[in-house]
Formats: sequence, structure tokens, C-alpha cells
Amino acid sequence: SAVISQKPSRDICQRGTSLTIQCQVDSQVTMMFWYRQQPGQSLTLIATANQGSEATYESGFVIDKFPISRPNLTFSTLTVSNMSPEDSSIYLCSVEDRPPGFNEQFFGPGTRLTVL
Amino acid sequence: DAKTTQPPSMDCAEGRAANLPCNHSTISGNEYVYWYRQIHSQGPQYIIHGLKNNETNEMASLIITEDRKSSTLILPHATLRDTAVYYCIVRVRTYNQGGKLIFGQGTELSVKP
Repeated sequence: SAVISQKPSRDICQRGTSLTIQCQVDSQVTMMFWYRQQPGQSLTLIATANQGSEATYESGFVIDKFPISRPNLTFSTLTVSNMSPEDSSIYLCSVEDRPPGFNEQFFGPGTRLTVL
Repeated sequence: DAKTTQPPSMDCAEGRAANLPCNHSTISGNEYVYWYRQIHSQGPQYIIHGLKNNETNEMASLIITEDRKSSTLILPHATLRDTAVYYCIVRVRTYNQGGKLIFGQGTELSVKP
């Protein structure tokens, strides 16, 4: 199984600012995903990030608000831009190990973001 | 991807089997049933998946009905550390495709001493 780390683990930010969250995997993976979990809610997929191509965003999420980078097969970043209190959530990255769509996804520990 | 329906919460006594049901009446022939759990403040953890046969691993057993419209996750000897939200997800599982997991609200399992 893949080991995933995220930085920062938590942060408190002021509205109007931006935060970049890093996701590092200990092995090369084809597909990486970013999810959001609002307080008391389930997980919602933000986007799929494949190396060498632009991220694919889910309905309700746009690149200007959540720009994503995927420079190589072990690393990705998600930026939460121009933050408002509604962006207070846990942000999680996940990876698909071995052939994409063929096996389980592994999740990172999450980044707990509070926007004041 | 087919939707799933789960009870919002369940209790289980420590040491007893926990049986978590899931309905997925609109499941397609190429969709698998996946189970994940999320212990408070942690990332979701994969438990098990299956297509139509019953599956067992070191964590749990998955029983899928013959018509595949429902399934049950069984934790054979629940411990306090099994207290978590359990998510039942159905998705296509094909080579080089897929990956997207659609999470419902899940079942909050409380294991009590």
C-alpha cells in the first residue's frame, strides 16, 4: 500500500488569502485525487490530477478557486484561493495504486483548514 | 455510478459481530461494491471490495446478495477501535479507468463496551 503525507496537517488562515496543500506519496502513482470534507459531512471529490495533464474538476469546483499541480508521479499540490469561511474543511488527497481503476484508493491524513 | 443507501447509525457490543447493510438496487453489471471506513479525524481506510462473490480478508467479510442489489459488511469481532463511519460505494472497476469514489453519508458505527 502507498504511504501518503500531507502538509500542512492543519492551518488557520484569514479570509482573502490562499493556502497551498502538498501531497507526497512514497511510490509512483498514476492517478491522484483531491477531496473536500466539510464539517459533519461526507467526502466530495474536487478533482482528479494526472501527471502531465491538466486536472479534471468535478461539477461545482473550478480551477481558479482550486488550482492543482502535478509535476511528477509522487507529488501534487492543491491551492485554496481567495479563501472564505465556507472553505473551512478537511482537504484530503488520495492515490490509486497499481493500474488505475483496478484496485483500492489510499488516502492521506488530511489537512484541516479553518478560515476566519 | 449507482447510488447506495445505508442506515445513518448503528450500535454494536464489543466482541460481537457488526453487520452493516447497504442497498444498491441500481447497480450495474460492471460495478463493484467497495467499503471504506473513516475513523474520526483520519483519512478513509479501504476495507474490502467485491463484484458478486462473497469476499473475506483480515479485516472483514463482504456478503453480496445473488441479485447484487444489496450487501452486508461483517466485522466478525468488533472492538472499540472499529468505531468509525463506514462507507459503501459502488463504482466501475476497469483497467486504466475509473478512480472516482462517490461517498454517501455512510453508517456511523459505535462499538460499546
